[in-house]
Amino acid sequence: EDQVTQSPEALRLQEGESSSLNCSYTVSGLRGLFWYRQDPGKGPEFLFTLYSAGEEKEKERLKATLTKKESFLHITAPKPEDSATYLCAAPLDRGSTLGRLYFGRGTQLTVWP
Amino acid sequence: GAVVSQHPSRVICKSGTSVKIECRSLDFQATTMFWYRQFPKQSLMLMATSNEGSKATYEQGVEKDKFLINHASLTLSTLTVTSAHPEDSSFYICSAGGEVAPYEQYFGPGTRLTVT
Repeated sequence: EDQVTQSPEALRLQEGESSSLNCSYTVSGLRGLFWYRQDPGKGPEFLFTLYSAGEEKEKERLKATLTKKESFLHITAPKPEDSATYLCAAPLDRGSTLGRLYFGRGTQLTVWP
Repeated sequence: GAVVSQHPSRVICKSGTSVKIECRSLDFQATTMFWYRQFPKQSLMLMATSNEGSKATYEQGVEKDKFLINHASLTLSTLTVTSAHPEDSSFYICSAGGEVAPYEQYFGPGTRLTVT
């Protein structure tokens, strides 16, 4: 069964303390791995798409990397405003409908000053 | 970036009534829209895929007669929760993707439904 698993479930960091979030997947024939940020009571905000192993993308303090079995979201010198739930997702391509995504349960990140 | 809106943002209704939620892509044409449901501290669960001009495709376990989806134009999809019950209370989120990159979806702000 296709699966996307995120760890840790929750992460508390002090401002400036760098760390990484993990997303492992068992989706066969992966057609991209997606990272989103979600603030409480809001819809997810698109961050990155990674399509092939070895690919890296950066945005401000965030860098996403992809291997054949997992993806990491590295957070360098985080600030309190980086506090959010980070979700990763992989495509469900059963059938002819494109665009269906399977989301992991997310990592709730809290950065305290 | 692409903007997706939802209306209403919050709705409270009585058990047995129906509620309609609108999802609009404001600055691009979305051939496909998706409806998700999210319970507190849970991840997003895909409910259905909405294609403009055709019937929606529902995920396993989602009642199509309870969650009616209409995708009348390239910028509007609606989800109607019929005969709502307290267990339907949840956070409903839509997303829209374009033809070029259907997986790079942009999400609406969500609708908090509370059924009393």
